Amino acid sequence: DAGVTQSPTHLIKTRGQQVTLRCSPKSGHDTVSWYQQALGQGPQFIFQYYEEEERQRGNFPDRFSGHQFPNYSSELNVNALLLGDSALYLCASSFRGGANSPLHFGNGTRLTVT
Amino acid sequence: AQSVAQPEDQVNVAEGNPLTVKCTYSVSGNPYLFWYVQYPNRGLQFLLKYITGDNLVKGSYGFEAEFNKSQTSFHLKKPSALVSDSALYFCAVRDINRGSTLGRLYFGRGTQLTVWP
Repeated sequence: DAGVTQSPTHLIKTRGQQVTLRCSPKSGHDTVSWYQQALGQGPQFIFQYYEEEERQRGNFPDRFSGHQFPNYSSELNVNALLLGDSALYLCASSFRGGANSPLHFGNGTRLTVT
Repeated sequence: AQSVAQPEDQVNVAEGNPLTVKCTYSVSGNPYLFWYVQYPNRGLQFLLKYITGDNLVKGSYGFEAEFNKSQTSFHLKKPSALVSDSALYFCAVRDINRGSTLGRLYFGRGTQLTVWP
């Protein structure tokens, strides 16, 4: 049973560029959340997708956008990259009906902006 | 506002000794509480959760956590630490009273646990 998979594992971009990160949820899960983990910090919630719609959003600018596909996979897009966007981006999946269900995390994409 | 505090950036303990990693939380309603562990260059792995019921929760790898409502704490414990327990530990809370069962998690800053031989 495959867990949450993310691609790519590492990425280096230049300030001002755009980036797309990808996530496939754990089998049986239909909800995908994205978190940003800066160095030395806990993960910060970016947004959550369910039924191909953004359901909740954290305190991130509109440069951060996403999408969920019919097969529940998801993309995170970041435009006009800033140096401060350098972080580990974590995708997490869950099943919608379980408020008490733990999130299952992928290994993340390490984004470096130079 | 929902928040989690992990007052210790680092906890050091000798192998075989008991360990405690502290966590306090703040939510407007009833909390769902979680502990996750992160190894270098990896994602977060679920350890245990408190939803309701017994205040002592048992989880993976011999870890347990004690929920204390009056002190709004959810400390992670293990009776006998192993060197392999060395990792970064995160406490997280979900506020189930925000009108959605799809609620986000609020994480603490993390506590680096080092267990020496």
